[in-house]
Amino acid sequence: GQNIDQPTEMTATEGAIVQINCTYQTSGFNGLFWYQQHAGEAPTFLSYNVLDGLEEKGRFSSFLSRSKGYSYLLLKELQMKDSASYLCAVREGDYKLSFGAGTTVTVRA
Amino acid sequence: IAGITQAPTSQILAAGRRMTLRCTQDMRHNAMYWYRQDLGLGLRLIHYSNTAGTTGKGEVPDGYSVSRANTDDFPLTLASAVPSQTSVYFCASSASAGDTGELFFGEGSRLTVL
Repeated sequence: GQNIDQPTEMTATEGAIVQINCTYQTSGFNGLFWYQQHAGEAPTFLSYNVLDGLEEKGRFSSFLSRSKGYSYLLLKELQMKDSASYLCAVREGDYKLSFGAGTTVTVRA
Repeated sequence: IAGITQAPTSQILAAGRRMTLRCTQDMRHNAMYWYRQDLGLGLRLIHYSNTAGTTGKGEVPDGYSVSRANTDDFPLTLASAVPSQTSVYFCASSASAGDTGELFFGEGSRLTVL
């Protein structure tokens, strides 16, 4: 199994940048995922890292360091619609995905 | 529109009753999963299936059972519901191991056990 830790809540201003950190311990790492979940909705896929480094996708970027068991999700040019929970998830083996408790991001005008 | 369909969307159930949550996907994904989501605890894996005919236990399997008779369907059964099983249940699927393996989620089933 794995322990996945991420902050519970973060608040930022519209137009700003927020970085959500995630640390994990796992015995069979095979990829790290970030998902976005708006209140009352299903999670949706944001990013995937399996090798060390930065993956950029528009306003969102995700970084992975396997040796440190560390990842972050960077949200740039924050918009009100980015207010949501962000879930860090680690895959162990081919299929099994375990999630952290999620970070609730509130974007203020 | 391709995706995952869960039913029911919401259900109130008396303790001790049997309940089956249904999940159907039309993406021909090999793997399917059931998660429960509780405030402060995030998504926790209940059971999973790598392919039709096989199932495995996740993090919190007690009180739940699943079956995978075919590729598309993955029902979750609560044999005798208890109040601690009040939660939002998400079904998900993913393609083969060669893909990134991202999960596609259904819209969730909100279950209240009284």
